[in-house]
Amino acid sequence: GIQVEQSPPDLILQEGANSTLRCNFSDSVNNLQWFHQNPWGQLINLFYIPSGTKQNGRLSATTVATERYSLLYISSSQTTDSGVYFCAVEGGTSYGKLTFGQGTILTVHP
Amino acid sequence: DTEVTQTPKHLVMGMTNKKSLKCEQHMGHRAMYWYKQKAKKPPELMFVYSYEKLSINESVPSRFSPECPNSSLLNLHLHALQPEDSALYLCASSQILGSTDTQYFGPGTRLTVL
Repeated sequence: GIQVEQSPPDLILQEGANSTLRCNFSDSVNNLQWFHQNPWGQLINLFYIPSGTKQNGRLSATTVATERYSLLYISSSQTTDSGVYFCAVEGGTSYGKLTFGQGTILTVHP
Repeated sequence: DTEVTQTPKHLVMGMTNKKSLKCEQHMGHRAMYWYKQKAKKPPELMFVYSYEKLSINESVPSRFSPECPNSSLLNLHLHALQPEDSALYLCASSQILGSTDTQYFGPGTRLTVL
């Protein structure tokens, strides 16, 4: 099956700093989503981005499908950004099956 | 409204108990999913329903029994679970089963098996 690798595994920031999270995948994808999982376990959709670039406030994401990676940018980080960020992909023939990366644990200190 | 609801929020059960988890969405989605997430691990797909029919079963043990009684509801029946089944169980839905659609997740049920 498709492999998904996220880096870095852990990231510690001071409030106000910027960061970039990376997701590499091993095969072509039709679906790529970025999620933020809060401390209570809720998975919050950030972006549906199988290709191209999107922005939503302080967050933006870019997926370069031909090179099999996606980046999530967080600018001016806030303590509420803390949590686990997951990249999840659906491979070309795996309809409905989202495969998640191991996640990046982000801690933002005040 | 992009809300998926799950009940109960927390569940503690013994190994001989029978219990059920419930998931509901009113977005008109026709694909619904169960995921299992162990502590400090990513979610893993268990089952997928498409138009109320089981489409994917990721070799889940038979002590987990899914049911989709209608297009808005998804249940997961639990029987004779083991302590290692303790986890966060997440439900999700998407418009259709396919590759061009966002999956929306519920808040999860945190299950503890004693």
